Amino acid sequence: GENVEQHPSTLSVQEGDSAVIKCTYSDSASNYFPWYKQELGKRPQLIIDIRSNVGEKKDQRIAVTLNKTAKHFSLHITETQPEDSAVYFCAARTSNSGYALNFGKGTSLLVTP
Amino acid sequence: GAVVSQHPSRVICKSGTSVKIECRSLDFQATTMFWYRQFPKQSLMLMATSNEGSKATYEQGVEKDKFLINHASLTLSTLTVTSAHPEDSSFYICSASPVGYNEQFFGPGTRLTVL
Repeated sequence: GENVEQHPSTLSVQEGDSAVIKCTYSDSASNYFPWYKQELGKRPQLIIDIRSNVGEKKDQRIAVTLNKTAKHFSLHITETQPEDSAVYFCAARTSNSGYALNFGKGTSLLVTP
Repeated sequence: GAVVSQHPSRVICKSGTSVKIECRSLDFQATTMFWYRQFPKQSLMLMATSNEGSKATYEQGVEKDKFLINHASLTLSTLTVTSAHPEDSSFYICSASPVGYNEQFFGPGTRLTVL
């Protein structure tokens, strides 16, 4: 089955700096890669996603890049703010898995003022 | 947007009892729903895929006789934790997607505490 690796597990940045979180996946049939932000005790919230036929996608301060050949994708947050502090999960989905998501282990991001 | 609800949001039960958690798609039909479990400071782990009108598909290591899933309608899936034990204490989250959507919409989760 699909195996998603995520790094780093914790990340601390100063307000205004950029944050980058990286993920790799194992199944070349994976075709959809969402990123979720989860605050303590709450449901995951989709912040950005990318399909396998696209290499990069941007939404204001957030961007995702995908390298299908290397099977890795990254989340980039620019001009970080304290409210960006949360746990971020990457995920990958394949049709082989019935369209279920396989999640990375998460990155705890702390943005200090 | 698509909305998924769960009930209850929190439940505390005694060891050995059974607990039922409901997952509803409020404004769309879902032939497939997914159940995840999340332990503190860990990731979401897929437990099973719930299929309307047929048996659920369980992930390796998840006991189907302990975690009973019923997907009786296009808007409702239930997860019953039978004979719950303290190690079953966790955050249970369901998700679903409307037809044609890539995005999965998550329910608010159910915090289960087994004493």
